[in-house]
Amino acid sequence: EPEVTQTPSHQVTQMGQEVILRCVPISNHLYFYWYRQILGQKVEFLVSFYNNEISEKSEIFDDQFSVERPDGSNFTLKIRSTKLEDSAMYFCASSRDPLAKNIQYFGAGTRLSVL
Amino acid sequence: RKEVEQDPGPFNVPEGATVAFNCTYSNSASQSFFWYRQDCRKEPKLLMSVYSSGNEDGRFTAQLNRASQYISLLIRDSKLSDSATYLCVVRINNDMRFGAGTRLTVKP
Repeated sequence: EPEVTQTPSHQVTQMGQEVILRCVPISNHLYFYWYRQILGQKVEFLVSFYNNEISEKSEIFDDQFSVERPDGSNFTLKIRSTKLEDSAMYFCASSRDPLAKNIQYFGAGTRLSVL
Repeated sequence: RKEVEQDPGPFNVPEGATVAFNCTYSNSASQSFFWYRQDCRKEPKLLMSVYSSGNEDGRFTAQLNRASQYISLLIRDSKLSDSATYLCVVRINNDMRFGAGTRLTVKP
């Protein structure tokens, strides 16, 4: 069964450093998403991406965040200057068509620890 | 009012029990509805979509009441493997809003 893959599974970084989280969506999917989940809290939407541009973003997705699809397979989330409160699980998801059932399939996540 | 509200539980039930989860959402423009399950420190996995006509998948039945902005999930004959957190999810355009989840523990 096709799946969304994320790397690394765990990223440890110092406060103020830049991190790039990587995702390979399911190959025939066209819509890509990032979510985060702070430990013990709910899953929060960050951003959706289609046709090489952001289609929606939440209030969490401020100027320190950016997303990119640098080639035909990868979808990345960059955090420019990490803060302690960025420590969370970051999930990538993809879907084929958001206007129909919009079933999103999630990757296993990257645990980001900011020290 | 929270956008998607769920009883956090925990629900502790014996094997074979029937358990029901409820969810309410605040935005009447919500377009699609889902139940996901999330195991501890794992990713959310789609359990089922929820339709106005109600839908069933084996032991799981989901209902949607758009007028009341209410979604439910019924699990019959619960198994140990059903132990997880159940997430109510609502879509508005490309934005998926998650409830905080209801934790279920099924005990032998």
